[in-house]
Amino acid sequence: QKEVEQNSGPLSVPEGAIASLNCTYSDRGSQSFFWYRQYSGKSPELIMSIYSNGDKEDGRFTAQLNKASQYVSLLIRDSQPSDSATYLCAVNGGNAGNMLTFGGGTRLMVKP
Amino acid sequence: KAGVTQTPRYLIKTRGQQVTLSCSPISGHRSVSWYQQTPGQGLQFLFEYFSETQRNKGNFPGRFSGRQFSNSRSEMNVSTLELGDSALYLCASSLGPGSEDTQYFGPGTRLTVL
Repeated sequence: QKEVEQNSGPLSVPEGAIASLNCTYSDRGSQSFFWYRQYSGKSPELIMSIYSNGDKEDGRFTAQLNKASQYVSLLIRDSQPSDSATYLCAVNGGNAGNMLTFGGGTRLMVKP
Repeated sequence: KAGVTQTPRYLIKTRGQQVTLSCSPISGHRSVSWYQQTPGQGLQFLFEYFSETQRNKGNFPGRFSGRQFSNSRSEMNVSTLELGDSALYLCASSLGPGSEDTQYFGPGTRLTVL
């Protein structure tokens, strides 16, 4: 059973702070890792993808991957109230095709 | 470029009925995946289609089925609806095979079973 674990939160940070979201996965064969943001009542929106160990930066977002530790994280710098949402970690295994396994999501609250 | 579209956006059905949901992928995308999202179970993979063939299937009963057409549009069908089938059904499209293939989600179809 492939598993993806996230702290459900809520994670509360003040506006302008760095929010750190974490995710662990069980399948060592996993090759692709994604962070999606989901606002209440909406569908998931892709934030970041990462495929190799290390950091990947895109604007205020940085994804970090450590395959040896089976750990993925997302840092949000200069957090804004509009970042308040549920962040979903998703992992695509090594088998052929697309089959994302999602974590339960971390609810982030950015307080003005 | 237009995003993934799903129809209908909302559905209300009664137990025992069947339902068909439709998904049109992003232009040029040939892979379509379906997911079910519920408060209790979160986001769960249903199945994936590529070139009109089912490539992967999640752990759902046979009442859940799908298909893909030659234009990459996809439909999923749920027969003999149960109360527990009430959920947000999400379709995601991607280019196709490749280790860095990325899925983009549609707005979803909210199904309520009474």
